[in-house]
Amino acid sequence: GIQVEQSPPDLILQEGANSTLRCNFSDSVNNLQWFHQNPWGQLINLFYIPSGTKQNGRLSATTVATERYSLLYISSSQTTDSGVYFCAVESSGNTGKLIFGQGTTLQVKP
Amino acid sequence: ETGVTQTPRHLVMGMTNKKSLKCEQHLGHNAMYWYKQSAKKPLELMFVYNFKEQTENNSVPSRFSPECPNSSHLFLHLHTLQPEDSALYLCASSQGRRAGGPLSSYEQYFGPGTRLTVT
Repeated sequence: GIQVEQSPPDLILQEGANSTLRCNFSDSVNNLQWFHQNPWGQLINLFYIPSGTKQNGRLSATTVATERYSLLYISSSQTTDSGVYFCAVESSGNTGKLIFGQGTTLQVKP
Repeated sequence: ETGVTQTPRHLVMGMTNKKSLKCEQHLGHNAMYWYKQSAKKPLELMFVYNFKEQTENNSVPSRFSPECPNSSHLFLHLHTLQPEDSALYLCASSQGRRAGGPLSSYEQYFGPGTRLTVT
């Protein structure tokens, strides 16, 4: 089945710094989502981005489907950005089965 | 608030108990999902329901029994669980796929989860 790898596994930033999280996947996809999991376990949708670039405030994401990777950019990080960031993909021709990466744990220090 | 609710939020049960987890979505979706998140592991898909029909069982042990009475509600019935079943159980929903229709992909929305502890 499709493999999803996220990097880095852990990231510590000072408030105000910028960061880039990466998601590599091993097969073509027709769905790619980025989530932020807060300390209480809630998964918050950040982007639905099987291809192209999207921006939402301080966050933006780019997926290059032909090269099988996606990037999540966080600018001017805040302490509330702390948590785990997951990339999840659904391989082409599949039936709603999202495969999750291991996640990137982000800690933003004041 | 994602439009997907789950109850209870926390559950402690013994290995001989029977309990049920409930999920409800208010998004008008027709597909619902159960995922399991164990400590230090990525989320794993357990079951998929599309227009009330189960379309995916990801080799889940029979001590987990899903039920989808309508497109808005999804249950996970638990019985004779093991301590290793302790985890966060997450429900999600999305638009559904019609049989014979295009294999379109839809964004999934997650509930807050039920944190289950089996003693």
